[in-house]
Amino acid sequence: AQTVTQSQPEMSVQEAETVTLSCTYDTSENNYYLFWYKQPPSRQMILVIRQEAYKQQNATENRFSVNFQKAAKSFSLKISDSQLGDTAMYFCAFMKPSFYNQGGKLIFGQGTELSVKP
Amino acid sequence: EAQVTQNPRYLITVTGKKLTVTCSQNMNHEYMSWYRQDPGLGLRQIYYSMNVEVTDKGDVPEGYKVSRKEKRNFPLILESPSPNQTSLYFCASSPGTGFRETQYFGPGTRLLVL
Repeated sequence: AQTVTQSQPEMSVQEAETVTLSCTYDTSENNYYLFWYKQPPSRQMILVIRQEAYKQQNATENRFSVNFQKAAKSFSLKISDSQLGDTAMYFCAFMKPSFYNQGGKLIFGQGTELSVKP
Repeated sequence: EAQVTQNPRYLITVTGKKLTVTCSQNMNHEYMSWYRQDPGLGLRQIYYSMNVEVTDKGDVPEGYKVSRKEKRNFPLILESPSPNQTSLYFCASSPGTGFRETQYFGPGTRLLVL
């Protein structure tokens, strides 16, 4: 069974600084998808960034980028130029492709609570 | 506006009193699912549905039921709620289960079972 681990329950960063959130996962599959979701105090789940395992190039979305290390099964999120609005819980998630049994199910990590301080 | 709606948003109930949390999406999505969120555990899938009349168990289905009689609706039923079902519940939908088919989450339902 796949598992996702976020070992940092809480982190803080000064506004305008860079922060990296860690995520590791365990799977025997070779093809899969990885995601980072943001959950602000409103509790809404917002997709931040996604990565396909067979693509070696790291995904980027504006100030958000990932460091995907497939062999190490690591998928960290880097937030550059942190803003107060980045304060949220961040979840790393794994998903098998649709042609697998239970494809489409998101398997989430425990979450990392990020505080951006002025 | 494309959205997933859930009702109620907050609910306090007592052990054993049947309740239903509704979920509706207006995007004609095929895939719908329910998750529960608990501190330190992240979100875990309860049930999912690939299409109308097709549902299956997720990782934590005990104590829950679902139905998918129409494409847009996917209610979560707690026949006899217990305190360990106190949680934050999310409904999600997507066109399918491909990489680019983003899952849209509802606003969440906070349930307290006394």
